[in-house]
Amino acid sequence: GAGVSQTPSNKVTEKGKYVELRCDPISGHTALYWYRQSLGQGPEFLIYFQGTGAADDSGLPNDRFFAVRPEGSVSTLKIQRTERGDSAVYLCASSFAHQETQYFGPGTRLLVL
Amino acid sequence: GDSVTQMEGPVTLSEEAFLTINCTYTATGYPSLFWYVQYPGEGLQLLLKATKADDKGSNKGFEATYRKETTSFHLEKGSVQVSDSAVYFCALRSWGAQKLVFGQGTRLTINP
Repeated sequence: GAGVSQTPSNKVTEKGKYVELRCDPISGHTALYWYRQSLGQGPEFLIYFQGTGAADDSGLPNDRFFAVRPEGSVSTLKIQRTERGDSAVYLCASSFAHQETQYFGPGTRLLVL
Repeated sequence: GDSVTQMEGPVTLSEEAFLTINCTYTATGYPSLFWYVQYPGEGLQLLLKATKADDKGSNKGFEATYRKETTSFHLEKGSVQVSDSAVYFCALRSWGAQKLVFGQGTRLTINP
Protein backbone atom coordinates (compact mmCIF):
# COMPACT_ATOMS: atom_id res chain seq x y z
CA GLY A 1 0.00 0.00 0.00
CA ALA A 2 0.93 3.66 -0.15
CA GLY A 3 3.42 4.88 2.39
CA VAL A 4 3.80 8.28 4.01
CA SER A 5 4.14 10.98 1.39
CA GLN A 6 5.56 14.47 1.79
CA THR A 7 5.41 17.49 -0.47
CA PRO A 8 7.32 19.25 -1.77
CA SER A 9 10.39 17.02 -1.89
CA ASN A 10 12.60 20.10 -2.07
CA LYS A 11 11.92 23.70 -1.10
CA VAL A 12 14.23 26.67 -1.58
CA THR A 13 13.19 29.92 0.03
CA GLU A 14 14.68 33.21 1.10
CA LYS A 15 15.36 34.29 4.66
CA GLY A 16 12.28 35.84 6.20
CA LYS A 17 9.76 34.04 3.98
CA TYR A 18 6.92 31.75 5.11
CA VAL A 19 6.84 28.08 4.12
CA GLU A 20 4.40 25.20 4.45
CA LEU A 21 5.38 21.56 4.34
CA ARG A 22 2.74 18.87 3.84
CA CYS A 23 2.52 15.31 5.10
CA ASP A 24 0.05 12.62 3.99
CA PRO A 25 0.17 9.74 6.49
CA ILE A 26 -0.63 6.12 5.82
CA SER A 27 -4.39 5.68 5.60
CA GLY A 28 -5.88 4.74 8.97
CA HIS A 29 -2.89 5.86 11.01
CA THR A 30 -4.08 8.01 13.90
CA ALA A 31 -0.69 9.15 15.16
CA LEU A 32 1.51 11.56 13.19
CA TYR A 33 4.97 12.90 13.99
CA TRP A 34 7.26 15.59 12.64
CA TYR A 35 11.04 15.40 12.99
CA ARG A 36 13.88 17.57 11.71
CA GLN A 37 17.17 16.14 10.49
CA SER A 38 20.17 18.42 10.12
CA LEU A 39 23.10 17.35 7.97
CA GLY A 40 25.07 14.54 9.54
CA GLN A 41 22.70 14.23 12.51
CA GLY A 42 19.89 11.97 13.55
CA PRO A 43 16.29 13.13 13.36
CA GLU A 44 15.08 15.35 16.21
CA PHE A 45 11.48 15.30 17.39
CA LEU A 46 9.32 18.35 16.75
CA ILE A 47 5.66 17.52 17.38
CA TYR A 48 3.26 14.60 17.75
CA PHE A 49 -0.45 14.48 16.86
CA GLN A 50 -2.97 11.98 18.10
CA GLY A 51 -5.97 12.53 15.85
CA THR A 52 -6.48 16.24 15.31
CA GLY A 53 -4.79 17.49 18.44
CA ALA A 54 -1.14 18.15 19.14
CA ALA A 55 -0.44 15.82 22.06
CA ASP A 56 3.20 16.84 22.43
CA ASP A 57 4.77 19.92 20.84
CA SER A 58 7.75 20.07 23.15
CA GLY A 59 10.23 19.77 20.28
CA LEU A 60 9.16 22.87 18.36
CA PRO A 61 12.21 25.16 18.61
CA ASN A 62 10.33 28.46 18.89
CA ASP A 63 7.04 30.16 18.06
CA ARG A 64 7.95 30.54 14.39
CA PHE A 65 7.09 26.86 14.00
CA PHE A 66 3.51 25.65 14.00
CA ALA A 67 1.75 22.51 12.79
CA VAL A 68 -1.85 21.57 12.19
CA ARG A 69 -3.83 18.44 11.42
CA PRO A 70 -7.40 19.72 11.10
CA GLU A 71 -9.14 16.54 9.97
CA GLY A 72 -6.93 13.99 11.65
CA SER A 73 -5.20 12.94 8.44
CA VAL A 74 -3.03 15.36 6.43
CA SER A 75 -0.73 17.60 8.44
CA THR A 76 1.00 20.86 7.55
CA LEU A 77 4.14 22.17 9.22
CA LYS A 78 4.33 25.95 8.97
CA ILE A 79 7.47 28.01 9.45
CA GLN A 80 7.24 31.79 9.65
CA ARG A 81 10.10 34.24 9.07
CA THR A 82 12.46 31.48 8.01
CA GLU A 83 16.10 31.66 9.05
CA ARG A 84 19.16 30.04 7.49
CA GLY A 85 19.39 27.78 10.54
CA ASP A 86 16.03 26.26 9.61
CA SER A 87 17.66 24.53 6.63
CA ALA A 88 17.27 20.79 7.17
CA VAL A 89 15.31 17.75 6.06
CA TYR A 90 11.86 17.71 7.65
CA LEU A 91 10.56 14.20 8.18
CA CYS A 92 7.03 13.06 8.82
CA ALA A 93 6.10 9.69 10.30
CA SER A 94 2.83 7.99 11.12
CA SER A 95 1.74 5.01 13.18
CA PHE A 96 -1.45 3.05 13.64
CA ALA A 97 -1.64 4.17 17.24
CA HIS A 98 0.73 5.64 19.75
CA GLN A 99 3.43 3.23 20.88
CA GLU A 100 3.34 1.43 17.54
CA THR A 101 6.02 1.34 14.84
CA GLN A 102 6.54 4.70 13.15
CA TYR A 103 6.73 4.72 9.35
CA PHE A 104 8.67 7.58 7.84
CA GLY A 105 8.15 9.56 4.67
CA PRO A 106 10.96 10.55 2.30
CA GLY A 107 11.23 14.02 3.80
CA THR A 108 11.20 17.59 2.54
CA ARG A 109 14.61 19.16 2.08
CA LEU A 110 14.33 22.84 3.03
CA LEU A 111 17.04 25.29 2.06
CA VAL A 112 16.83 28.86 3.35
CA LEU A 113 19.07 31.24 1.44
CA GLY B 1 17.11 13.67 29.40
CA ASP B 2 17.04 10.62 27.19
CA SER B 3 19.91 10.19 24.77
CA VAL B 4 21.49 7.72 22.36
CA THR B 5 25.18 7.50 21.55
CA GLN B 6 26.33 5.65 18.47
CA MET B 7 29.67 4.52 17.20
CA GLU B 8 31.33 7.23 15.16
CA GLY B 9 31.44 6.66 11.44
CA PRO B 10 32.02 6.27 8.67
CA VAL B 11 32.61 2.53 8.74
CA THR B 12 34.05 0.81 5.68
CA LEU B 13 34.18 -2.96 5.37
CA SER B 14 34.75 -5.57 2.70
CA GLU B 15 31.94 -7.84 1.57
CA GLU B 16 31.38 -10.85 3.87
CA ALA B 17 33.04 -9.13 6.83
CA PHE B 18 31.51 -9.16 10.32
CA LEU B 19 29.75 -5.96 11.34
CA THR B 20 29.23 -4.38 14.73
CA ILE B 21 27.83 -0.89 15.23
CA ASN B 22 27.81 0.11 18.87
CA CYS B 23 24.87 1.88 20.50
CA THR B 24 24.43 2.89 24.13
CA TYR B 25 21.58 4.80 25.66
CA THR B 26 20.54 6.85 28.67
CA ALA B 27 16.90 6.75 29.68
CA THR B 28 14.70 6.53 32.72
CA GLY B 29 12.76 3.33 33.12
CA TYR B 30 12.65 0.72 30.40
CA PRO B 31 12.66 2.17 26.91
CA SER B 32 11.95 0.37 23.67
CA LEU B 33 14.97 0.26 21.38
CA PHE B 34 15.16 0.44 17.60
CA TRP B 35 17.53 0.35 14.68
CA TYR B 36 16.46 2.32 11.61
CA VAL B 37 18.25 2.26 8.26
CA GLN B 38 18.38 4.89 5.54
CA TYR B 39 19.45 3.56 2.15
CA PRO B 40 20.76 6.04 -0.43
CA GLY B 41 17.91 8.12 -1.81
CA GLU B 42 15.31 6.49 0.42
CA GLY B 43 13.46 7.29 3.64
CA LEU B 44 14.10 5.88 7.09
CA GLN B 45 12.99 2.27 7.50
CA LEU B 46 12.65 0.25 10.66
CA LEU B 47 15.25 -2.51 10.62
CA LEU B 48 14.56 -4.17 13.98
CA LYS B 49 13.37 -3.47 17.50
CA ALA B 50 13.33 -4.83 21.04
CA THR B 51 10.89 -3.80 23.72
CA LYS B 52 12.28 -5.34 26.89
CA ALA B 53 15.53 -6.44 28.47
CA ASP B 54 17.23 -9.48 26.91
CA ASP B 55 14.97 -9.35 23.86
CA LYS B 56 16.75 -9.90 20.56
CA GLY B 57 15.51 -8.09 17.47
CA SER B 58 16.43 -9.53 14.09
CA ASN B 59 15.80 -8.83 10.42
CA LYS B 60 17.64 -9.32 7.11
CA GLY B 61 20.51 -11.08 8.90
CA PHE B 62 20.98 -8.21 11.36
CA GLU B 63 20.59 -8.75 15.10
CA ALA B 64 20.66 -6.61 18.24
CA THR B 65 20.13 -7.63 21.87
CA TYR B 66 18.66 -5.30 24.50
CA ARG B 67 21.22 -5.29 27.32
CA LYS B 68 19.86 -3.46 30.34
CA GLU B 69 22.97 -4.02 32.48
CA THR B 70 25.19 -2.25 29.95
CA THR B 71 22.45 0.01 28.52
CA SER B 72 23.42 -1.12 25.04
CA PHE B 73 21.79 -2.28 21.82
CA HIS B 74 24.67 -3.08 19.46
CA LEU B 75 23.85 -3.98 15.85
CA GLU B 76 25.58 -7.04 14.37
CA LYS B 77 25.64 -8.94 11.11
CA GLY B 78 27.75 -11.96 10.39
CA SER B 79 28.44 -11.37 6.70
CA VAL B 80 27.71 -7.99 5.14
CA GLN B 81 26.83 -7.36 1.51
CA VAL B 82 27.35 -4.37 -0.76
CA SER B 83 23.58 -3.78 -0.55
CA ASP B 84 23.92 -3.13 3.21
CA SER B 85 25.64 0.17 2.47
CA ALA B 86 23.47 2.78 4.20
CA VAL B 87 23.23 5.03 7.25
CA TYR B 88 22.13 3.24 10.42
CA PHE B 89 20.38 5.00 13.30
CA CYS B 90 19.89 3.68 16.80
CA ALA B 91 16.84 5.09 18.60
CA LEU B 92 14.84 4.74 21.78
CA ARG B 93 11.31 5.46 22.90
CA SER B 94 10.82 5.92 26.61
CA TRP B 95 8.00 4.14 28.37
CA GLY B 96 4.82 6.15 28.03
CA ALA B 97 6.31 8.51 25.47
CA GLN B 98 5.63 8.66 21.77
CA LYS B 99 8.66 10.45 20.37
CA LEU B 100 11.75 8.64 19.16
CA VAL B 101 15.17 9.83 20.31
CA PHE B 102 17.84 9.09 17.71
CA GLY B 103 21.58 8.74 17.73
CA GLN B 104 23.63 10.68 15.21
CA GLY B 105 23.78 7.84 12.70
CA THR B 106 26.62 5.66 11.39
CA ARG B 107 27.40 5.59 7.68
CA LEU B 108 28.34 2.10 6.52
CA THR B 109 30.05 1.41 3.19
CA ILE B 110 30.63 -2.14 1.99
CA ASN B 111 33.20 -2.64 -0.76
CA PRO B 112 33.01 -5.64 -3.11
